[in-house]
Amino acid sequence: NAGVTQTPKFQVLKTGQSMTLQCAQDMNHEYMSWYRQDPGMGLRLIHYSVGAGITDQGEVPNGYNVSRSTTEDFPLRLLSAAPSQTSVYFCASSYSDQLYGYTFGSGTRLTVV
Amino acid sequence: KQEVTQIPAALSVPEGENLVLNCSFTDSAIYNLQWFRQDPGKGLTSLLLIQSSQREQTSGRLNASLDKSSGRSTLYIAASQPGDSATYLCAVEVQGAQKLVFGQGTRLTINP
Repeated sequence: NAGVTQTPKFQVLKTGQSMTLQCAQDMNHEYMSWYRQDPGMGLRLIHYSVGAGITDQGEVPNGYNVSRSTTEDFPLRLLSAAPSQTSVYFCASSYSDQLYGYTFGSGTRLTVV
Repeated sequence: KQEVTQIPAALSVPEGENLVLNCSFTDSAIYNLQWFRQDPGKGLTSLLLIQSSQREQTSGRLNASLDKSSGRSTLYIAASQPGDSATYLCAVEVQGAQKLVFGQGTRLTINP
């Protein structure tokens, strides 16, 4: 099925560990982005990309790195996990003409202990 | 800075009622507004997208309106059903920036 695929669905990390959250889309969308969802804070933009090789920071980028080597994939890297990064992470994608809205993945629930 | 507010934060109604969820935004410079549904522990499902030049969109029992000049959108749900119970999120796409700004959501419960 076409859409945005995120892996893993759940992850527990120890403080200081690193990991990569994977995101892939098969709709040939130019735009891809990462959001985190926290109680009382809503969804906030971490990083986004308007095309392969181009990334930029969102509202809450600290502690996260991204790269976009292909149109399909947009991984999010946590270099040294902190308890403040406990959250639900969503990847989203859309066409650059902004006529069809965003499609979201099913999310990754991350706990940092 | 664009801010999006959804009122009420929670709503509980009996099955069969028609209801309205509200969304307001502070800056009218938007490309579009999108309504999402989120079930507990799940991702976001897109319900309706309204372009900035449009006034409303309809899908089945759902109707969303947009008044850009006043910074308001409403989501109308007709003949509500228990399966409509979920959190409904409103998001605006900011002009000049490839990002969505979300409201906090309205948690809707439809009682059988």
